[in-house]
Amino acid sequence: KAGVTQTPRYLIKTRGQQVTLSCSPISGHRSVSWYQQTPGQGLQFLFEYFSETQRNKGNFPGRFSGRQFSNSRSEMNVSTLELGDSALYLCASSLGLAGYEQFFGPGTRLTVL
Amino acid sequence: AQTVTQSQPEMSVQEAETVTLSCTYDTSESDYYLFWYKQPPSRQMILVIRQEAYKQQNATENRFSVNFQKAAKSFSLKISDSQLGDAAMYFCAYRVSAGAGSYQLTFGKGTKLSVIP
Repeated sequence: KAGVTQTPRYLIKTRGQQVTLSCSPISGHRSVSWYQQTPGQGLQFLFEYFSETQRNKGNFPGRFSGRQFSNSRSEMNVSTLELGDSALYLCASSLGLAGYEQFFGPGTRLTVL
Repeated sequence: AQTVTQSQPEMSVQEAETVTLSCTYDTSESDYYLFWYKQPPSRQMILVIRQEAYKQQNATENRFSVNFQKAAKSFSLKISDSQLGDAAMYFCAYRVSAGAGSYQLTFGKGTKLSVIP
């Protein structure tokens, strides 16, 4: 069974631009969670989607949004990029609602110049 | 707020030796899950071991075992017979209920483990 895939793996953007990251969960998994990882703040929860509905959202500004499609694939969008948005964005999938085992993708490294 | 604390930013261990990574957490819940994740330089987070709070028996996965002290809110990871491939960042995580059947993981800051040949 293929693991969680994330595209693109690397991305360079400039301040003020917007970006869309994609995550394909493990086949059969219906929950997708997103995390931001930075050296200063560590790993922080962004949001979780289950059956195309956002079930939970972390403490991030409204510039961060996401969605989930009927095939469980998820996208995350960040608008009006700031330097502080530079981070590794990790996606994790699980069978049920943030089930007790989450499988992570390799991440997307976003650099904002 | 639920917090997870890893007090050792970096640790090193000689190959084939044993090392213990510490983790403490703060919670008011009685039923929860705890995890150790490994993140090698390739960045892929890998689940190492999990512990259900209602289970008194400590979880074990091959060379990895935990010492779960519920009353002390302590959850340490022991790696036996350390191998070069064990070198990575290790994150302790706690599964937090967010209401309406939703959960999220809260992570510690991580411990960077180096394995010396």
